[in-house]
Amino acid sequence: QSVLTQPPSASGTPGQRVTISCYGSSSNIGNNPVNWYQQLPGTAPKLLIYSNNQRPPGVPDRFSGSKSGASASLAISGLQSEDEAEYYCAAWGDSLNGYYYVFGTGTKVTVL
Amino acid sequence: EVQLVESGGGLVQPGGSLRLSCAASGFTFSSSEMNWVRQAPGKGLEWVSYISSSGSTKYYADSVKGRFTITRDNAKNSLYLQMNSLRAEDTAVYYCASQHDLAMDVWGQGTTVTVSS
Repeated sequence: QSVLTQPPSASGTPGQRVTISCYGSSSNIGNNPVNWYQQLPGTAPKLLIYSNNQRPPGVPDRFSGSKSGASASLAISGLQSEDEAEYYCAAWGDSLNGYYYVFGTGTKVTVL
Repeated sequence: EVQLVESGGGLVQPGGSLRLSCAASGFTFSSSEMNWVRQAPGKGLEWVSYISSSGSTKYYADSVKGRFTITRDNAKNSLYLQMNSLRAEDTAVYYCASQHDLAMDVWGQGTTVTVSS
């Protein structure tokens, strides 16, 4: 079962736009929708984006997602201090051993 | 209020067993697919197991296959994870999460499992 690759860190000043990449393969992102989760320090993860680019109720439209082939990205526009958190991409995948859910390696976003 | 509450974590010796529980409220549990996800100290998220709404379909991560068993009791709105042959590398916070549209939309607060002698 593979891992999705993300940059370990990203940063920006308040108001800036930050983008996080997520690289997978044809067996996961390439054939399934991508989800993004936000994890604030000391708390449980929260669903931020589902089905590549859909926001659950209550998630600000500053957060947007996209997918192309076996890669995806999360953009945070108008960066705010409360956006400082760890962000994970994720997707379902399939292999010879069956189905699996795989998370990205995580990206720590710092607001400078 | 939609809520998931995990319990059952604790300190266990290597080779021991533990059973985690997850109590659901505020939504139709019997219609929801469910997952367990864990996070080792200072590490990222790792998916552990999935179970369909009826309990008939289950998937496991390779790292726990043959040692962990996921079950559910829809009459009790509860999800379980039976963990056997525990190893030090199973030390983590374990979260239960409901799944809709192939995404984990509601998460519990987590329960901590420590495997150590």
